[in-house]
Amino acid sequence: GEDVEQSLFLSVREGDSSVINCTYTDSSSTYLYWYKQEPGAGLQLLTYIFSNMDMKQDQRLTVLLNKKDKHLSLRIADTQTGDSAIYFCAEGPAGANNLFFGTGTRLTVIP
Amino acid sequence: GAVVSQHPSWVICKSGTSVKIECRSLDFQATTMFWYRQFPKQSLMLMATSNEGSKATYEQGVEKDKFLINHASLTLSTLTVTSAHPEDSSFYICSARGQGIATQETQYFGPGTRLLVL
Repeated sequence: GEDVEQSLFLSVREGDSSVINCTYTDSSSTYLYWYKQEPGAGLQLLTYIFSNMDMKQDQRLTVLLNKKDKHLSLRIADTQTGDSAIYFCAEGPAGANNLFFGTGTRLTVIP
Repeated sequence: GAVVSQHPSWVICKSGTSVKIECRSLDFQATTMFWYRQFPKQSLMLMATSNEGSKATYEQGVEKDKFLINHASLTLSTLTVTSAHPEDSSFYICSARGQGIATQETQYFGPGTRLLVL
């Protein structure tokens, strides 16, 4: 089955950039997503990228997709304490109804 | 736009009772709804997929008689945990995908329901 992997933890200082990485196995994925989960809450869609794109920028967020290496990253510029959360990447394989989630990366922003 | 709500946000029940969780799409028509379960410090596990007006499709290992899913309208799906036991305690999250929103492929998630079975 599909396998989506992320590193479990990331700590950065406030004001620095954060880069969260994700690798996936299904090359047929049509969309790849980044979701944010704050403690005790559901998932908030941050951004997504279509598989024929290699970059998408949305304010402080930059998504890079290397389809050849099946590698997705999320860069958060000027990271703030409010960005502390768990970030999940997810892939939506072509023809499949559901998403496959990574294990989540817990981002801690140090003031 | 694309707001999904869940009710209740948390519930405590006695072992052996049944609990119903509602998932609503507030500003779009959800042709497909998904139910996930999340254990502490773990990722989301898809339990089932439901399309409006048809029976839910359950993932392997998920008991359909224990986790009853009804998707009777384009804005509402319910998950009933029947004869709940302490091992059913978890965070249940629904998501919805459908018409009238920017990206029909995208799933929008509810805030989750925390279930504690005593």
